[in-house]
Amino acid sequence: SQTIHQWPATLVQPVGSPLSLECTVEGTSNPNLYWYRQAAGRGLQLLFYSVGIGQISSEVPQNLSASRPQDRQFILSSKKLLLSDSGFYLCAWSRGSRMRAFFGQGTRLTVV
Amino acid sequence: AQSVTQLDSQVPVFEEAPVELRCNYSSSVSVYLFWYVQYPNQGLQLLLKYLSGSTLVESINGFEAEFNKSQTSFHLRKPSVHISDTAEYFCAVSALNRDDKIIFGKGTRLHILP
Repeated sequence: SQTIHQWPATLVQPVGSPLSLECTVEGTSNPNLYWYRQAAGRGLQLLFYSVGIGQISSEVPQNLSASRPQDRQFILSSKKLLLSDSGFYLCAWSRGSRMRAFFGQGTRLTVV
Repeated sequence: AQSVTQLDSQVPVFEEAPVELRCNYSSSVSVYLFWYVQYPNQGLQLLLKYLSGSTLVESINGFEAEFNKSQTSFHLRKPSVHISDTAEYFCAVSALNRDDKIIFGKGTRLHILP
C-alpha cells in the first residue's frame, strides 16, 4: 500500500534561519507531488507541484523553494525564514489529476 | 487556470438538520471535482469525487454532491448531520490533464450545534 511521510510534525525556527521540510512517498512510482500551505481563512494554498524528478512548478512568488531530487522525495526549503512563513504545511501526492490526493499529516511551522 | 470559490467560511447547523456547503468553480476546460474533509487535528481525506457520468455522487457517510455544469457548481449536501460531521470541508478542482495541479477552495468549517 502507498504511504506518505512528512516530517517534522512541528517546528519552531527563528527569523532568518534556513528551512528544510521533507516528504517521501512509498508504494508508488512517478507520483505527482504537491506542497500546500494551510492558513486560517485562506484554505489550502498550492505552493509547488511536481510531475517528475527535477520538474517543479511554483504557484506563488514567495520566500520558499522546492526540489525533487528523487522520484518519491519532495523537499520544501527556505534560505532565510520570515515571520510570514509561519503556517501549516501539507505535502500530498496523486497519480494524476483525476485521482485522489493523499495527504501527509502536516508540519506546523512557527517562525519566531 | 482553474479556481474554486467556497462562499461560506463557517456554517452552523443543528444536529439532525440538513446542510448544504456551497462550491463554485471556474475553468475554461472540463474538470474533475472533489470534496475533501479535515477532521480536527487530522489530515485531509477524500470525501467524494466527480469524474464523469452521473452528476450526483455519494459518499459512504451520507454526503452527496451534484455537479451542475451550467451553474459551475458542486455543492455538498447531507440530509441529516451528526456531531461527528464537525470538520472543515474543502472543495477542489483539477483539469482533465494528468499532470494538472489540484486547486482547493478556502474551506468551510461545519459547526454542529447540539
